[in-house]
Amino acid sequence: DQQVKQNSPSLSVQEGRISILNCDYTNSMFDYFLWYKKYPAEGPTFLISISSIKDKNEDGRFTVFLNKSAKHLSLHIVPSQPGDSAVYFCAAGGGADGLTFGKGTHLIIQP
Amino acid sequence: EAQVTQNPRYLITVTGKKLTVTCSQNMNHEYMSWYRQDPGLGLRQIYYSMNVEVTDKGDVPEGYKVSRKEKRNFPLILESPSPNQTSLYFCASSLGVMGYGYTFGSGTRLTVV
Repeated sequence: DQQVKQNSPSLSVQEGRISILNCDYTNSMFDYFLWYKKYPAEGPTFLISISSIKDKNEDGRFTVFLNKSAKHLSLHIVPSQPGDSAVYFCAAGGGADGLTFGKGTHLIIQP
Repeated sequence: EAQVTQNPRYLITVTGKKLTVTCSQNMNHEYMSWYRQDPGLGLRQIYYSMNVEVTDKGDVPEGYKVSRKEKRNFPLILESPSPNQTSLYFCASSLGVMGYGYTFGSGTRLTVV
């Protein structure tokens, strides 16, 4: 049973526009959430996180929103840049067994 | 430089030949973990370790072993590799398990023929 779901395998956005990546989760015990970015032939790199006591966290062009009642979080990138083209993984955790990752969304920024 | 180092980066082996993928971190992190990445399945946790001599199964532990004799090292052992273990493997470490971002290694692409 997939506890963290990223339902869009890919997303194409024009440079300069906003990219919105979505993630849903089913486990009510999750209390912190993270986004990772992955380029080909590299390991994932940490991007931004949010704990369940907040509903928004911002870091430069990246903002993560958390809607606990809907068990939904989203990552907003604005403005989108060519270097943002990558696979983005949503991850969630809440216990001692580490992070559960979604399947990833391949973001393509078009010039 | 703070990093997680995995070796080898690429490995082709035959079914049944024991192999070890090494993982080392220089950040004094307590928490270490192994993931595999497969097309359409994302990152799935194989094993994790909360500290020296403490290891636990993740979501897909079958066919794998790990050990944590020292804080910095967390090797992944395939006693008898099979073709369904062909995958991209990532080691990760973290200060703790609650709310900290992982630092990932660069990955090991394993092919079992």
